Amino acid sequence: KAGVTQTPRYLIKTRGQQVTLSCSPISGHRSVSWYQQTPGQGLQFLFEYFSETQRNKGNFPGRFSGRQFSNSRSEMNVSTLELGDSALYLCASSLSGARGTEAFFGQGTRLTVV
Amino acid sequence: GQQLNQSPQSMFIQEGEDVSMNCTSSSIFNTWLWYKQDPGEGPVLLIALYKAGELTSNGRLTAQFGITRKDSFLNISASIPSDVGIYFCAGPHNNAGNMLTFGGGTRLMVKP
Repeated sequence: KAGVTQTPRYLIKTRGQQVTLSCSPISGHRSVSWYQQTPGQGLQFLFEYFSETQRNKGNFPGRFSGRQFSNSRSEMNVSTLELGDSALYLCASSLSGARGTEAFFGQGTRLTVV
Repeated sequence: GQQLNQSPQSMFIQEGEDVSMNCTSSSIFNTWLWYKQDPGEGPVLLIALYKAGELTSNGRLTAQFGITRKDSFLNISASIPSDVGIYFCAGPHNNAGNMLTFGGGTRLMVKP
């Protein structure tokens, strides 16, 4: 069974640009969550999508947005990039129901803003 | 908001030694998850705990859900070099499904 796939693995962008990251969850998983990981702040929750609807949202500015498609694949977008957005962005997929808390992560996308 | 405090922040041990790390919270958690992250990779789920007092093993790893529901422990027995990495505890924020709060991590280094 294929795991969570994130593309691209690495990105370098210029301040002010926008970026879109992609995540394909484990087959059968309908919940997709996004996390930002930085050395200073650790792993922080961005948002969660379930059945194409945003179900939970973390404490990030509106420049961070996402969506989920009918096949459960998800994208996140960051507009007007800032240097502080440089981070490892991780996508996690989960089943719904009682075991829904068990999140399985992809390898991440390393974003560098210059 | 909810915070998970992990200790120790780092450990440098000899191969073959046992390792113990813990995670505490000021709030009650209904679920505790333990992850391991290798450099440049995403976290990998090691153990999930769902019941206060529960003790669960995964090979050389054993984790416990504290009775107070405010803490959890992870033990690694007979450490080997491939145990090197960062170990994170996590729990659902406000016990709401898939929004996880993570601890700061314990960096484990193993000397062969």
